[in-house]
Amino acid sequence: SAVISQKPSRDICQRGTSLTIQCQVDSQVTMMFWYRQQPGQSLTLIATANQGSEATYESGFVIDKFPISRPNLTFSTLTVSNMSPEDSSIYLCSAHAGGVSGYTFGSGTRLTVV
Amino acid sequence: GQQLNQSPQSMFIQEGEDVSMNCTSSSIFNTWLWYKQDPGEGPVLLIALYKAGELTSNGRLTAQFGITRKDSFLNISASIPSDVGIYFCAGSFINAGNNRKLIWGLGTSLAVNP
Repeated sequence: SAVISQKPSRDICQRGTSLTIQCQVDSQVTMMFWYRQQPGQSLTLIATANQGSEATYESGFVIDKFPISRPNLTFSTLTVSNMSPEDSSIYLCSAHAGGVSGYTFGSGTRLTVV
Repeated sequence: GQQLNQSPQSMFIQEGEDVSMNCTSSSIFNTWLWYKQDPGEGPVLLIALYKAGELTSNGRLTAQFGITRKDSFLNISASIPSDVGIYFCAGSFINAGNNRKLIWGLGTSLAVNP
């Protein structure tokens, strides 16, 4: 299965600033996703990163707040814009190689906004 | 958003005991996935199930895809301290827009007393 490198692993940011999280997969994958996870909670899908086109956002998430790029089949970025303390969470990148393969996850980015 | 009913929410057991957890849904899934998440890490796929009634093992782990396609269970036999973590079920389906969707359970937190 694909191996995902996600960085940064953690960051502490000032409110009002933006943070870009990078996700690199070691092989070409069909689909890439971005999740948010509050500590001790389940995963909430933010958006599906589409290669060469705009991301598909889930209800409650908008492009202006969480712009996503996916320039090729192995790389994606998520930006958390104009951050507030409510954005403090763990952000996870995930990839699916298609077919009967499962979804693989990065180690996550633990974001604290102060 | 839509979620699976995963139980129990938490378990505290003695080393060597067997563990069972399950997920149910009112919706049909064509794939059931079981993940384990350690602190500070992303979820790691344990077992993937693709056919109703399928019973699959991975070492001390056994999982089954319910015959109705609306439920799944995960058993861990002879638990050891490194089994500690949060276990998530996830159900996959193709929506009306022909997009693959993944729905997550709320997790089962497992603690093992050595």
